[in-house]
Amino acid sequence: EVQLVESGGGLVKTGGSLRLSCVASGLPFIEAWMTWVRQAPGKRLEWVGRIKSKGGGGTTDYAAPVKGRFTISRDDSKNTVFLQMNSLKTEDTAVYYCTKDVPFTGGGAMLYWGQGALVTVSS
Amino acid sequence: DIVMTQSPDSLAVSLGERATINCRSSQSVLDSSNNKKYLAWYQQKPGQPPKLLIYWASTRESGVPDRFSGSGSGTDFTLTISSLQAEDVALYYCQQYSSTPFTFGPGTKVDIK
Repeated sequence: EVQLVESGGGLVKTGGSLRLSCVASGLPFIEAWMTWVRQAPGKRLEWVGRIKSKGGGGTTDYAAPVKGRFTISRDDSKNTVFLQMNSLKTEDTAVYYCTKDVPFTGGGAMLYWGQGALVTVSS
Repeated sequence: DIVMTQSPDSLAVSLGERATINCRSSQSVLDSSNNKKYLAWYQQKPGQPPKLLIYWASTRESGVPDRFSGSGSGTDFTLTISSLQAEDVALYYCQQYSSTPFTFGPGTKVDIK
């Protein structure tokens, strides 16, 4: 059974930093393209970014609102993907989900989801 | 960025009746090189993460009841629930994964009439 478990959420002041972790089990993580998606209260889902597998180039892509402030990385030895969030703004307040796609959809069709990590940014 | 829109914002359907949700993309999400439409549908219930229902516009994910079906062209897509059940009350989102940033529609709320 595939499981994605996020941790690291919490309350932080504007301008601060937070790092989310997502530990995956039940899947060949080294081949996985992992994606972060967030959902602000009462808002639609928003794609944050993805990291390809090392075999796929290991590169990252980001949404414009977070580019330059957020960094996605991975540790394949620990089946873990990270989301480092710097220079946080109140508009970054959201539940952050770690996801894994249907194979060969480029990280796009998100089949597995974590339970979500709540990040609250206050001024 | 590809902008996704959905209609209606919400709908109420009687149990056992058909529910239809529409989704439109601002650009085609059809890749003519492989004839695949990069469009997914999700169901989200309160307090839960989304659940993938459909991908490649019409491929039902394993375990999803066959009353859920997806169809559409390069820019216009439809999710149909052929016979609404009580457990189908939820928010439904479409999403394109043709190009980054992957984008979601605003959601359609489905209720029982």
